[in-house]
Amino acid sequence: AQSVAQPEDQVNVAEGNPLTVKCTYSVSGNPYLFWYVQYPNRGLQFLLKYITGDNLVKGSYGFEAEFNKSQTSFHLKKPSALVSDSALYFCAVRSNTGFQKLVFGTGTRLLVSP
Amino acid sequence: DSGVTQTPKHLITATGQRVTLRCSPRSGDLSVYWYQQSLDQGLQFLIQYYNGEERAKGNILERFSAQQFPDLHSELNLSSLELGDSALYFCASSSTAGTSGEREQFFGPGTRLTVL
Repeated sequence: AQSVAQPEDQVNVAEGNPLTVKCTYSVSGNPYLFWYVQYPNRGLQFLLKYITGDNLVKGSYGFEAEFNKSQTSFHLKKPSALVSDSALYFCAVRSNTGFQKLVFGTGTRLLVSP
Repeated sequence: DSGVTQTPKHLITATGQRVTLRCSPRSGDLSVYWYQQSLDQGLQFLIQYYNGEERAKGNILERFSAQQFPDLHSELNLSSLELGDSALYFCASSSTAGTSGEREQFFGPGTRLTVL
């Protein structure tokens, strides 16, 4: 069975500081990993994905994520946070074997203070 | 704007009633996925259609059903509604069937269902 853990319900960071939102996963086979962001009263927006290749993936709005196979992690990072980055962030995983549904984590609320 | 549209935005109804939620996928996308987002259950996959055919089922109740029409729009039907069905219902689309799962899904803005 596939699963995703986002251990922090909320992450607080000051504007201009680096941010990290953590994600670990469990999947049979190799993972396809995704990060989505949800702003209030909006749908989920795709940020970035890891499929294969370079472990450091760059995405929208200056976000990046690092795939670490040995630690089964896919943490989301940004070098310098903006107040407008405040939102709910979801990590998701599916296996690369056959059809597997996309499984989402419980979400991490990011609060960036001015 | 993801290109996925959902109607209505809000729906308020009573227990025991039946409602239909509508989704139009991005132009060219053949796969439609339905999700339920609630505070206690998080984001749960309900069902997927690909080019009119049901492709996968998740945690979908028997009281719920869906279909995808020849023009690729999809409808999610919820019947015998209960208080616990109150949630945000999202539709997403992608260009693949799901076996090549590297393609991201694009989400609509959601329909907020309130059952009173």
